[in-house]
Amino acid sequence: NAGVTQTPKFQVLKTGQSMTLQCAQDMNHEYMSWYRQDPGMGLRLIHYSVGAGITDQGEVPNGYNVSRSTTEDFPLRLLSAAPSQTSVYFCASNRGSSGANVLTFGAGSRLTVL
Amino acid sequence: AQKITQTQPGMFVQEKEAVTLDCTYDTSDPSYGLFWYKQPSSGEMIFLIYQGSYDQQNATEGRYSLNFQKARKSANLVISASQLGDSAMYFCAMREGPRNFNKFYFGSGTKLNVKP
Repeated sequence: NAGVTQTPKFQVLKTGQSMTLQCAQDMNHEYMSWYRQDPGMGLRLIHYSVGAGITDQGEVPNGYNVSRSTTEDFPLRLLSAAPSQTSVYFCASNRGSSGANVLTFGAGSRLTVL
Repeated sequence: AQKITQTQPGMFVQEKEAVTLDCTYDTSDPSYGLFWYKQPSSGEMIFLIYQGSYDQQNATEGRYSLNFQKARKSANLVISASQLGDSAMYFCAMREGPRNFNKFYFGSGTKLNVKP
């Protein structure tokens, strides 16, 4: 059982380049989300999805696009990378239910924008 | 205002001793969940323990327990009998209400170092 799979694990971009971080989950979770982790700031929500075809903005959405065409996949697109987007990105998924609705994370993607 | 506050950027503890990592939260929603995650140097996020706002008893999971003080809005993580493998970053997180199952708020983390 793979859980949440993110690719690539590392990426270096030049300012202005575009790229897509891939995320797939095989747990049939309704909800998927992207977080970025910066030193001293914990994890901050970028975008999230409550089901196929439905996405919404989180706390820090600027500069990022998402789409969710299937339950399994939730790619994050950087249209024109900026140095401020240098960060570690985590994709996560969880069930749409109350209680111990635990976030399951991917392994993370370290992005450097020069 | 910060939803989750962790005031200890770094902590040291002697192996086999207990340690408490502090977490305070801010919400007006009567229904919420509190979580602790561990992030070792390898980078993955590992779920440790969960406490629901309506739970009457403090959550426990093996050597981890959550000291939940609702009136003070605190959810401290207690690790008993520390081990060298407990050295890591620890994040407190909160999810509010039944309409926000997808939104988690994280604190800035506490870096725990366990000394032999």
